[in-house]
Amino acid sequence: EPEVTQTPSHQVTQMGQEVILRCVPISNHLYFYWYRQILGQKVEFLVSFYNNEISEKSEIFDDQFSVERPDGSNFTLKIRSTKLEDSAMYFCASSADRGNYGYTFGSGTRLTVV
Amino acid sequence: SQQGEEDPQALSIQEGENATMNCSYKTSINNLQWYRQNSGRGLVHLILIRSNEREKHSGRLRVTLDTSKKSSSLLITASRAADTASYFCVIQGAQKLVFGQGTRLTINP
Repeated sequence: EPEVTQTPSHQVTQMGQEVILRCVPISNHLYFYWYRQILGQKVEFLVSFYNNEISEKSEIFDDQFSVERPDGSNFTLKIRSTKLEDSAMYFCASSADRGNYGYTFGSGTRLTVV
Repeated sequence: SQQGEEDPQALSIQEGENATMNCSYKTSINNLQWYRQNSGRGLVHLILIRSNEREKHSGRLRVTLDTSKKSSSLLITASRAADTASYFCVIQGAQKLVFGQGTRLTINP
């Protein structure tokens, strides 16, 4: 069964450093998403991406965050200057359409900012 | 708010028993989705039920939807230890999924 692949599975970074989280969505999916889950809290929407541009973003997704689809297969989330409160599990997801048939999530990247 | 609210927050049953989790929501929906999350791991899509559907099955899973009551339920029959996880009913907005706190299900051997 097709999977969404995320790398790395765990990333530790120092506060103020830039991190890039990587995702390979399912190949024939057109919509891509990032979500995050702070330990013990709800899964929160960050951003959706379609046709090479952001289609929706949440209040969390401020100027420190950016997304990119640098080639035909990768979808990345960059945090420019990490803060302690950015520590969370970050999930990438993709869908064939606007999720009317469900979303496929990756296994997540656990980001720890120290 | 747009999110679904799961009930109960935690459920502990014996292996082999059936587990029922409920979800209530406040907005109109196009579809409602159920996801599972094993501790600290990824989210797995279980079932999507559309607003014009009342019941849907997938293996040991049965989902019902009552749009007049704005509620849904997930039934897991003949539970197994591997079913231990958090279960979320998820409302789909225009471009995003809105998660609630989930039901933490524990299956005791």
